[in-house]
Amino acid sequence: EDKVVQSPLSLVVHEGDTVTLNCSYEVTNFRSLLWYKQEKKAPTFLFMLTSSGIEKKSGRLSSILDKKELFSILNITATQTGDSAIYLCAVEYGQNFVFGPGTRLSVLP
Amino acid sequence: DTEVTQTPKHLVMGMTNKKSLKCEQHMGHRAMYWYKQKAKKPPELMFVYSYEKLSINESVPSRFSPECPNSSLLNLHLHALQPEDSALYLCASSQDVLGAPGELFFGEGSRLTVL
Repeated sequence: EDKVVQSPLSLVVHEGDTVTLNCSYEVTNFRSLLWYKQEKKAPTFLFMLTSSGIEKKSGRLSSILDKKELFSILNITATQTGDSAIYLCAVEYGQNFVFGPGTRLSVLP
Repeated sequence: DTEVTQTPKHLVMGMTNKKSLKCEQHMGHRAMYWYKQKAKKPPELMFVYSYEKLSINESVPSRFSPECPNSSLLNLHLHALQPEDSALYLCASSQDVLGAPGELFFGEGSRLTVL
């Protein structure tokens, strides 16, 4: 059965800390892996990864994909309280996007 | 225009009501999706339309009836819902070019409460 697993499920850090969120997957016909941030409403797009070993960066966030080991990580450096959210990993395969359970990140002042 | 627009944002309905959720995108995307999201859970796929044809139905009860009138519009007709159907209903779209990966664009969601 196709699946996406994220860890940790919950994380509490202080401002300024660096965090690493993990996503592993087992799907057939993999097309891409996406990271989303969800606060109170709909998920907002962070990154789309299709190739192994190429880091994507946006400000303090970065992500990389390992298609051999079937996982991705999302790094957030110098965390801020505004980074508090649920971070969702989604894998696109065929015509479907399946989501992992999410990591709930809380950044304390 | 990189938006997916959903209406209404909030809906309260009784178990005997018939209502509809609407979704619109003008990005030329050919795949449109309905996801259901319960509190503290990830979005769960309900339906996928590709080129205006229903391509995936994730065993959703018949009290939910999707409709894709054209490539820009997606509806979800609701009838005889149960209180456990209360959730955030998210519409999304993607380019759906075969063989090419694509980002999933979400609308802001319709928060449904069934009394």
